[in-house]
Amino acid sequence: DQQVKQNSPSLSVQEGRISILNCDYTNSMFDYFLWYKKYPAEGPTFLISISSIKDKNEDGRFTVFLNKSAKHLSLHIVPSQPGDSAVYFCAASPDGNQFYFGTGTSLTVIP
Amino acid sequence: DTAVSQTPKYLVTQMGNDKSIKCEQNLGHDTMYWYKQDSKKFLKIMFSYNNKELIINETVPNRFSPKSPDKAHLNLHINSLELGDSAVYFCASSPSEFWGAEAFFGQGTRLTVV
Repeated sequence: DQQVKQNSPSLSVQEGRISILNCDYTNSMFDYFLWYKKYPAEGPTFLISISSIKDKNEDGRFTVFLNKSAKHLSLHIVPSQPGDSAVYFCAASPDGNQFYFGTGTSLTVIP
Repeated sequence: DTAVSQTPKYLVTQMGNDKSIKCEQNLGHDTMYWYKQDSKKFLKIMFSYNNKELIINETVPNRFSPKSPDKAHLNLHINSLELGDSAVYFCASSPSEFWGAEAFFGQGTRLTVV
C-alpha cells in the first residue's frame, strides 16, 4: 500500500518556466517531508525539506509547499533549467526515522 | 502488501558486533540497491545488484558485504560494527539498472551502534 504517491510519472517544462512536482500522502501522522533529485546512474541528492509546523520552505530556485489538510505537498522550481532534468522523489515520515518514498517523477526541462 | 520491505526497522547494537539487514521486494524487479542516509539526509549509494549480479560497488568499507540469494532479496551484512556506521539504511528496487521514473524504496532501517 503506497502511502506516498507521485501520480505524474513524467513532466516536461520549457526552460525558464515553472516546474511543479506534486506529492500526495495518506497518513495524517506524517510530519517530516523531504525532496530528492536523482540523475541516472547516481544516488538521490537531498534537495529540500519541510516539517508540518511550516507550510512553505524556500531555498534558491526551489520552494516546497505543504498543505496538511489536503495531505499534499509540491515542489516548485523557478526558473527551470535544463540541468534540473532528473527524477524527483518525495518522502514522508511521522518521526524522522521511518521514511516512506514516492515512486518518483521524471522532469525534463526543454531548452 | 509492502512492495519493498526491510527488516529490522530499528537495530541497536554494540561496537564490534556483526549484523545483517534484510531486504525483499515482491515487484519482480531486476535491480536492487542499498543506500546509506547521512545526518544531512543525503542518500549515498552503496551497492547495486542487477539480477543477482553486482553492478555498483561504491567506496564503502569491506566490512559491508551485500548478499543476493535471488533477485527478490538483497541483504546487507556488516562486520565489526563501528560508531560511524550509525545511520539509516535504505533498500530500493527498480525494473532495470537504468533508472526511469519508477523506483520503490523500503522504509529504512535505523542502525545505532553504541
